[in-house]
Amino acid sequence: EAQVTQNPRYLITVTGKKLTVTCSQNMNHEYMSWYRQDPGLGLRQIYYSMNVEVTDKGDVPEGYKVSRKEKRNFPLILESPSPNQTSLYFCASSTGGSYNEQFFGPGTRLTVL
Amino acid sequence: DQQVKQNSPSLSVQEGRISILNCDYTNSMFDYFLWYKKYPAEGPTFLISISSIKDKNEDGRFTVFLNKSAKHLSLHIVPSQPGDSAVYFCAATYNNDMRFGAGTRLTVKP
Repeated sequence: EAQVTQNPRYLITVTGKKLTVTCSQNMNHEYMSWYRQDPGLGLRQIYYSMNVEVTDKGDVPEGYKVSRKEKRNFPLILESPSPNQTSLYFCASSTGGSYNEQFFGPGTRLTVL
Repeated sequence: DQQVKQNSPSLSVQEGRISILNCDYTNSMFDYFLWYKKYPAEGPTFLISISSIKDKNEDGRFTVFLNKSAKHLSLHIVPSQPGDSAVYFCAATYNNDMRFGAGTRLTVKP
């Protein structure tokens, strides 16, 4: 089954404790992206990647890191999480970039205390 | 700054009637527009899109209209069905920079 998976689905952590949210897709998509969803703000793009070893900042990259060492994986790293990073995070992938249909993962709800 | 705006947080329509969801944008660089639908506890799913060189795109019950001079697009759903009840996000992109609106919650009443 073609899908985008994220882990964990739920995470409660404390300020400053490094964490990684994994994202994996099995559709051989070149493009992958991370978004956060907050009430009243919709989805905001954090980082995106056009292919392996190619990453670019989105609208709200501060406080986040990403890597793209393999085509299928695109982990999101929070080196020192803060409470303002409490949010619902979505990973997505597509062929041909943001102009094509993006397939979204189920989301990761992160709470930073 | 919010470059893509959906000014109606919610919309309620009767089953069988037309649903019209609106979206405004400020950045004239955007060259492609998309609508995504989101059910609770799921990721968004793609619905329909339109290039900036067109003014209309239709797919079954869903039609998107683009008015570039007004920087406005709308999604029409005809006829609306209870299963269409969801949050709808308008999105705009150029050069893989992607911006979403805040979403409109559509409720279709039987």
